[in-house]
Order: sequence, then structure tokens, then C-alpha cells
Amino acid sequence: GAVVSQHPSWVICKSGTSVKIECRSLDFQATTMFWYRQFPKQSLMLMATSNEGSKATYEQGVEKDKFLINHASLTLSTLTVTSAHPEDSSFYICSARDRLAGGVGELFFGEGSRLTVL
Amino acid sequence: DAKTTQPNSMESNEEEPVHLPCNHSTISGTDYIHWYRQLPSQGPEYVIHGLTSNVNNRMASLAIAEDRKSSTLILHRATLRDAAVYYCILRDVPPGAGSYQLTFGKGTKLSVIP
Repeated sequence: GAVVSQHPSWVICKSGTSVKIECRSLDFQATTMFWYRQFPKQSLMLMATSNEGSKATYEQGVEKDKFLINHASLTLSTLTVTSAHPEDSSFYICSARDRLAGGVGELFFGEGSRLTVL
Repeated sequence: DAKTTQPNSMESNEEEPVHLPCNHSTISGTDYIHWYRQLPSQGPEYVIHGLTSNVNNRMASLAIAEDRKSSTLILHRATLRDAAVYYCILRDVPPGAGSYQLTFGKGTKLSVIP
């Protein structure tokens, strides 16, 4: 099946620093990718929709200046957590769908990136 | 998107079938029923989806009630690797829609007993 890869799989950083997480579709092209956040023992919460070549669409309550999303190509979207603080510690997951799959094709998820902010 | 209701947790013995229920009484005629699962510390993975008819694939079967107000994910022989949180999600995909997102509920945590 199609593969979505995230990097890094885990990262520890100091409070106030910025962290970039990459999401790549390895064997298909994706005009749209989605970023989710998951806190311990909770479900996934959609943060934003990343659109290739245009601005991301953020869900209500998600600060676009804090969570910068860039989708510069059909196979890569990046999420940058700017000035990270301990409350940003979470499991960040991206997903993508093959743009050629049709309207109901399955979404492929990355393996997730665990961010710990000290 | 219409809401789904799933039990918080279920247990199954290894090698036995598992029936995971999902209620979606407010489902609309164009809502597809998707199932994903999430193993510990991993991203979700697709299991199966359907609209009206029952569906089978190598991972599972999806039984959809005639009125579509409920569905059941069937794992024919549970293994330890099937221990995960299973999410039942409805998604309306209008004709010509380029893409869609999924809204996850709390899902059902399946434990498999050796």
C-alpha cells in the first residue's frame, strides 16, 4: 500500500525553540495533506489542512502563527511548531490521500512524530 | 459530519472472531462508513469502508444494517496484533469533491487476550 513517512519520529527540544516536522508521500502525489495532534489517551484532533501551492486551512482554535504549515510540493508538507512550550508536547500525525484515487479513497497516515518540549 | 457511537472498550480471546459495533443513527444518504485503527504509538491505518452493501477485504468485513443506522466491523480471527483502538467514522463525500478529512471520535479500544 501507499506510504506516508514522517520525520523525525521523535524529538526533544527546549522551550522557546522551533521544531520542524516533515510529512512525505513516498509513492503517490497528494494535493492535500492533513495534520493531526493527539494528546495521551485522547483521540486525534485535526489541526489543519495543507494544500499544495496555497495557504493551509486551520481548524478553529489552532494558531496559524504558531503552527506554520508549508506544502511546497505534491509529496511534501512540513509543520513547524514555533517557540514551542511544554503544552505543545504531543503526538503529531499527518495524513494524505492519493490525488488520483477518486473521491472516497482511503487516507494514509504517517507513523507520527512525538514532540517533547522541556 | 454525522456522529458515531462506539463502546469504549472490548475484549476478545485470541483466534476468536470479534464484532465491533458502531451506531450512527443520524447518518445521511451520502455518508460513507469508514473504519480505521490505531496501534499503540502509531498513526492510524485504514481498515475498510462501505456505503450500503457489506464489504470484505483481507483485513476485515464490514456489515452494514439495512437502514444504515448501525454497522459492525468483523475481525474473523483476532490476533495479538489486532489490539488497537478502532475508529468508526462517517464521511460525506459530495460528487466531485477533491478530498476530504476525517473527524475521529474516541473509538473502541480492543484488547486481545492470549
